[in-house]
Amino acid sequence: QQPVQSPQAVILREGEDAVINCSSSKALYSVHWYRQKHGEAPVFLMILLKGGEQKGHEKISASFNEKKQQSSLYLTASQLSYSGTYFCGTEETGNQFYFGTGTSLTVIP
Amino acid sequence: NAGVTQTPKFQVLKTGQSMTLQCAQDMNHNSMYWYRQDPGMGLRLIYYSASEGTTDKGEVPNGYNVSRLNKREFSLRLESAAPSQTSVYFCASSAGTGVRRTEAFFGQGTRLTVV
Repeated sequence: QQPVQSPQAVILREGEDAVINCSSSKALYSVHWYRQKHGEAPVFLMILLKGGEQKGHEKISASFNEKKQQSSLYLTASQLSYSGTYFCGTEETGNQFYFGTGTSLTVIP
Repeated sequence: NAGVTQTPKFQVLKTGQSMTLQCAQDMNHNSMYWYRQDPGMGLRLIYYSASEGTTDKGEVPNGYNVSRLNKREFSLRLESAAPSQTSVYFCASSAGTGVRRTEAFFGQGTRLTVV
């Protein structure tokens, strides 16, 4: 079941924060996050396994609430380089994996 | 290391023509995938291969066939192209054996237009 991402699009000024949400109707084993810049391939950001862990890399972090089948990606003090489309991928406990439809993030000076 | 290499990068086909998209990875990964990306629909899995010699259907397999030629190469064939197959195709690979997903590495994509 394809997860639902929100918002579909967001525009930020440099230095502002953003949260991207990913929600599934199925029980999840893990959530994966990728970023795709325009005209390029998706690039892996992080994996969160069930257990409610929160992971981070520099100013991008994420959380996973397995009870609610939801994950959130947090981008703090956004930079121009953060612009792109963010995809979550959800791995269901039955091994099915689906990507969401993406969230377009634009950071402006 | 080149990572995941796809060819061609661009292709225009006429309806009914056939073609094969090539993909090779040099990371000794077990699993390989073919996705298509359409506006507003994210990435949808066409076929995947958890190991050399095995292939399985994904979400949208109709109109496609695949071959896992060896551990490095995974090709996608369109036997009779249709306008609905106009899309951007991505090949990806990962180290896992298919039981649980691991980090995937994507090729640069093939932009296919069927007229």
